[in-house]
Amino acid sequence: GQQVMQIPQYQHVQEGEDFTTYCNSSTTLSNIQWYKQRPGGHPVFLIQLVKSGEVKKQKRLTFQFGEAKKNSSLHITATQTTDVGTYFCAGRDTDKLIFGTGTRLQVFP
Amino acid sequence: NAGVTQTPKFQVLKTGQSMTLQCAQDMNHEYMSWYRQDPGMGLRLIHYSVGAGITDQGEVPNGYNVSRSTTEDFPLRLLSAAPSQTSVYFCASSYSAGNSPLHFGNGTRLTVT
Repeated sequence: GQQVMQIPQYQHVQEGEDFTTYCNSSTTLSNIQWYKQRPGGHPVFLIQLVKSGEVKKQKRLTFQFGEAKKNSSLHITATQTTDVGTYFCAGRDTDKLIFGTGTRLQVFP
Repeated sequence: NAGVTQTPKFQVLKTGQSMTLQCAQDMNHEYMSWYRQDPGMGLRLIHYSVGAGITDQGEVPNGYNVSRSTTEDFPLRLLSAAPSQTSVYFCASSYSAGNSPLHFGNGTRLTVT
């Protein structure tokens, strides 16, 4: 079955530094979704990408879908302490959503 | 608007006990699913349902049963709890399978001793 891996597993940054997490799938994805989970909370939907090479922005967050639709990235510019949490990508496998392993972001003030 | 409601929030079981984790949604979503979250393992799909009366296995279904008799409810049953089932369990629902946002419940933290 489909496998979705994310790197890095952990990232510690100083506030104001940039952050990027990468998502790689073993198979071609029809779409990819990104979620954020705050410590002690539940995952919350951020965005969905559908088209090959698609780029979407949400304020300081930039999401990219690879040309081959097998990888994706999330880049945060000038991190803030409010960005702390775990970021998950999730890819559609026929009629279900398979999540990546997640990247935990810690931001030091 | 309650969204996705999970009960209980916390549960401690002894090995061999059975229990049911409850999940209900009030958004008329067709798709419902159960995930477990363990450190370093991300969210792993246990079982899912694309509509009432239809269920299917996910990545880690062993030791768990589900049923979907109504659109609103999707309970997860542990038949004989094992320490390996100690985890945080999330129920999630969406309008359709895989191409609309998943709405998660607040989770159930289960400990099996």
